[in-house]
Amino acid sequence: GNSVTQMEGPVTLSEEAFLTINCTYTATGYPSLFWYVQYPGEGLQLLLKATKADDKGSNKGFEATYRKETTSFHLEKGSVQVSDSAVYFCALRGNTGFQKLVFGTGTRLLVSP
Amino acid sequence: DSGVTQTPKHLITATGQRVTLRCSPRSGDLSVYWYQQSLDQGLQFLIQYYNGEERAKGNILERFSAQQFPDLHSELNLSSLELGDSALYFCASSEIQTGTRSNYGYTFGSGTRLTVV
Repeated sequence: GNSVTQMEGPVTLSEEAFLTINCTYTATGYPSLFWYVQYPGEGLQLLLKATKADDKGSNKGFEATYRKETTSFHLEKGSVQVSDSAVYFCALRGNTGFQKLVFGTGTRLLVSP
Repeated sequence: DSGVTQTPKHLITATGQRVTLRCSPRSGDLSVYWYQQSLDQGLQFLIQYYNGEERAKGNILERFSAQQFPDLHSELNLSSLELGDSALYFCASSEIQTGTRSNYGYTFGSGTRLTVV
């Protein structure tokens, strides 16, 4: 079945550092890929998405590129802020039938001033 | 405000009891999904409804059940509660559920935190 693997956390960075959170997936066909963010005490919010190979999703300075050849969708940001501290979830959704979102285990990001 | 409303926000109950969690989807969304988030098992898909009908089942225990009503709100019923059922329960909604339009993500509610004591 479909699955998502994320790097273990927590990821601890200083403000203005470069961020990469790795995400790889296993799926048949051409799934859509998503990054969700969960701030403390809140639900998950869609951060960005990509629906086909080589698409780049971007939002709030975050970017991720759909790499079919490496089955990856790594999240990057050039300069993190303290307010980016949250848990980040990579997810995929298959493109046939009644497909549900499949989530990775989440990666906690801690940014210090 | 995401548009998905979950009530109650917090719930504390004793083992063996039964509780009902409620979810109102975002206006216009026909699909509702329930997820359980616990520390040791991450985000687990429980069940999906589309326009009143069950469409997919995940790791949902037999002690748990759900339904979606004609007005599209959904309820998740948890019975014979155990300590291990303590978790955050999220509801999410989306416009459509067929895979041909899988570029739609979900909109999540803020969750119900269930504590079983």
